[in-house]
Amino acid sequence: DQQVKQNSPSLSVQEGRISILNCDYTNSMFDYFLWYKKYPAEGPTFLISISSIKDKNEDGRFTVFLNKSAKHLSLHIVPSQPGDSAVYFCAAEGDMRFGAGTRLTVKP
Amino acid sequence: SAVISQKPSRDICQRGTSLTIQCQVDSQVTMMFWYRQQPGQSLTLIATANQGSEATYESGFVIDKFPISRPNLTFSTLTVSNMSPEDSSIYLCSVETSGGAVNEQFFGPGTRLTVL
Repeated sequence: DQQVKQNSPSLSVQEGRISILNCDYTNSMFDYFLWYKKYPAEGPTFLISISSIKDKNEDGRFTVFLNKSAKHLSLHIVPSQPGDSAVYFCAAEGDMRFGAGTRLTVKP
Repeated sequence: SAVISQKPSRDICQRGTSLTIQCQVDSQVTMMFWYRQQPGQSLTLIATANQGSEATYESGFVIDKFPISRPNLTFSTLTVSNMSPEDSSIYLCSVETSGGAVNEQFFGPGTRLTVL
């Protein structure tokens, strides 16, 4: 069963604009969420996380929002840069459930 | 997409023992990987499991400690040998599929290992 879902396999945005990547989960027991970024031929690297006691966590250009009632989180990248082009994975810690990933392309 | 199952989902083991983790995929895949997620650290690639040949290990990981088998295109095992508390981690199997113009990566549910 897919307890963490990223329903958009790809996203394309213009440089300088906002990128919004979405993630939904089904298990209300999940209490910690992570976003990973993955470049081709490399392993995923940790990007940003959020605990369920918060609804927002910001780190530079990256902000993660958590809506517990909707079981939804989103990653905002502002402003987007071409170097942000990668696959982004949402994961829920508990048993480390991963979404399928969203491929972000930032066009110059 | 690929559906991945792992066994066991979690285990508590004694120091000095070994544990073998199984990964089963519902379709044939070329690329299978084993990752480790230690508390507070990033996801770390242990090795690429190659079908019919020895696994390719990343820096810092060796076959004697983490022997890997890949007998076919849908199954792989990772053994954590001679365990110590530092091996306590979540171990994840992952596969990469070729779906048209884009390769996609999927992760299994993970195996939470605690070493006492």
